[in-house]
Amino acid sequence: AQSVTQPDIHITVSEGASLELRCNYSYGATPYLFWYVQSPGQGLQLLLKYFSGDTLVQGIKGFEAEFKRSQSSFNLRKPSVHWSDAAEYFCAVGPYGGATNKLIFGTGTLLAVQP
Amino acid sequence: EAGVTQFPSHSVIEKGQTVTLRCDPISGHDNLYWYRRVMGKEIKFLLHFVKESKQDESGMPNNRFLAERTGGTYSTLKVQPAELEDSGVYFCASSQDARRVSPSYEQYFGPGTRLTVT
Repeated sequence: AQSVTQPDIHITVSEGASLELRCNYSYGATPYLFWYVQSPGQGLQLLLKYFSGDTLVQGIKGFEAEFKRSQSSFNLRKPSVHWSDAAEYFCAVGPYGGATNKLIFGTGTLLAVQP
Repeated sequence: EAGVTQFPSHSVIEKGQTVTLRCDPISGHDNLYWYRRVMGKEIKFLLHFVKESKQDESGMPNNRFLAERTGGTYSTLKVQPAELEDSGVYFCASSQDARRVSPSYEQYFGPGTRLTVT
């Protein structure tokens, strides 16, 4: 069955510190992978996506993610966290095209940023 | 360009009552999706419209949920009668037609409607 695991429910980092949010997936075919962020009162915003090609993907707000097929992982990273990065982050996997484009999400990681 | 909008932002109803949630997708987006997040759990797919047709409703929990998309524009999700376990945040998302735009897969999400059933 298709699934996405985000093992860290809640992470706290200091402003300026580096960040890595973990995501593992279980998917039968080549996945399309996404990271979304939800700030308070906002909808989910797409940070980055991986379809094919270079396994290191650059996104908005200084985020990047690396697809590792051998580990079934798509971890999100940022070298220096800003207080405005405090939000909830969701990893998702989905098929390309086809009859349905539903996304399968992980449970989310809530990021707190300490001054 | 206006994003995906949802109304209301919050709704508190009693068990047994009816609630209707509305979603207005981005103009020109053929695909419209409903998702739900129950507290502490993952965001789960409910259904997918392509224009006015239901493409996939495999995630709908039961027949108390009815989704419509009249004229292929906005969509409504009605819960009747509401139960306690229906509480959660209901998200709507839209995307363009994958056959016309590449890569077209990005789903744009609205802010969600928080439903509380007491």
